[in-house]
Amino acid sequence: AQSVTQLDSQVPVFEEAPVELRCNYSSSVSVYLFWYVQYPNQGLQLLLKYLSGSTLVESINGFEAEFNKSQTSFHLRKPSVHISDTAEYFCAVEETSGSRLTFGEGTQLTVNP
Amino acid sequence: NAGVMQNPRHLVRRRGQEARLRCSPMKGHSHVYWYRQLPEEGLKFMVYLQKENIIDESGMPKERFSAEFPKEGPSILRIQQVVRGDSAAYFCASSQDITYGYTFGSGTRLTVV
Repeated sequence: AQSVTQLDSQVPVFEEAPVELRCNYSSSVSVYLFWYVQYPNQGLQLLLKYLSGSTLVESINGFEAEFNKSQTSFHLRKPSVHISDTAEYFCAVEETSGSRLTFGEGTQLTVNP
Repeated sequence: NAGVMQNPRHLVRRRGQEARLRCSPMKGHSHVYWYRQLPEEGLKFMVYLQKENIIDESGMPKERFSAEFPKEGPSILRIQQVVRGDSAAYFCASSQDITYGYTFGSGTRLTVV
């Protein structure tokens, strides 16, 4: 079975500052990795995913994440955040042969002016 | 493409009543997943279904909860004799293939009074 740990439950930052949301996973087999974003009272939206190939993946709104197999991590970064990035961010994994996502507990990112 | 449609968005039930949550997957998606999000927690897997088949129900409580995905119509998550601890947001996701990722609905927020 796999598990996901998001090390920070709350991350407050100022606008235009860089941010890193940490995610570590545990699995005995190969996995796919995902970051989802949830705005208040809404469903989850896929932000980016790692399936194979380049270990650095990017989203259309400036976020990026790097798969580090040796450290079993998939940290999410953005060099300069906006107020509109305020949301809850969830890291998730799925075994490549599996049938479900396992989520971390989430990180609440709050961007202050 | 209307996306994954869940209804109702909000549902209030008294203790002991039944709750029925509906999920219409995206067109062309044959895999449906249900997740539960308790307050201040991440999403927990409940059940994975394909048309007329339950593939993995390892996350479903043993009693009072059931799910179906009939040949025609939406997937239904049914909770009998609801209790206050069932109050949560219930999210449905669908997929065509893992390489395309999961698409989540906006959720049904169940409140048991």
